[in-house]
Amino acid sequence: AQKVTQAQTEISVVEKEDVTLDCVYETRDTTYYLFWYKQPPSGELVFLIRRNSFDEQNEISGRYSWNFQKSTSSFNFTITASQVVDSAVYFCALREAGTSGSRLTFGEGTQLTVNP
Amino acid sequence: GAVVSQHPSWVICKSGTSVKIECRSLDFQATTMFWYRQFPKQSLMLMATSNEGSKATYEQGVEKDKFLINHASLTLSTLTVTSAHPEDSSFYICSARFTGTGVYEQYFGPGTRLTVT
Repeated sequence: AQKVTQAQTEISVVEKEDVTLDCVYETRDTTYYLFWYKQPPSGELVFLIRRNSFDEQNEISGRYSWNFQKSTSSFNFTITASQVVDSAVYFCALREAGTSGSRLTFGEGTQLTVNP
Repeated sequence: GAVVSQHPSWVICKSGTSVKIECRSLDFQATTMFWYRQFPKQSLMLMATSNEGSKATYEQGVEKDKFLINHASLTLSTLTVTSAHPEDSSFYICSARFTGTGVYEQYFGPGTRLTVT
């Protein structure tokens, strides 16, 4: 069965600090997709990134970067020079390619608070 | 593109009444829609998968007679919470699966906050 673990329930940092959100996943499929979503206080999920299991290249998008390591089944997310607007709950999610209907399994989420 | 809307965005109802939540894909057709429930400070939990023209598939522990799902068209799925009780108060989020050539993406609606008094 697929499972996503986000061990950090809450993280609090001061603005401009770098912060890494951890995500560890479990799956028996060889083909799968990993996602990160941001959920601000408004509640709407904001898609941040999708990664497929065959692409282990790290990705950088502005202040965001992602480190995907299949050897440790991890897909960590780093925010560089954090800002107050980054405060939100961040979810890591997994979708197995063989699962019909694109079923997503979410981690428990990490509440990030960036203080001024 | 790929916008999903939900209506209403929030609703307050009395215990024992029924509430209908709509989920629409605005600029694409969605053969599959998903309904999630999220309690405060918790993750999203999949309630059911809705396929256009057929019965929804419910996750274990979700009462299908209480949470009625209708996916009558390729752009609309509805979730009706019947005989709502305070414990049904939650944030309900839908998503729609976009199917293109080699693409199977899920797009989320903004959510509906239900409060049952």
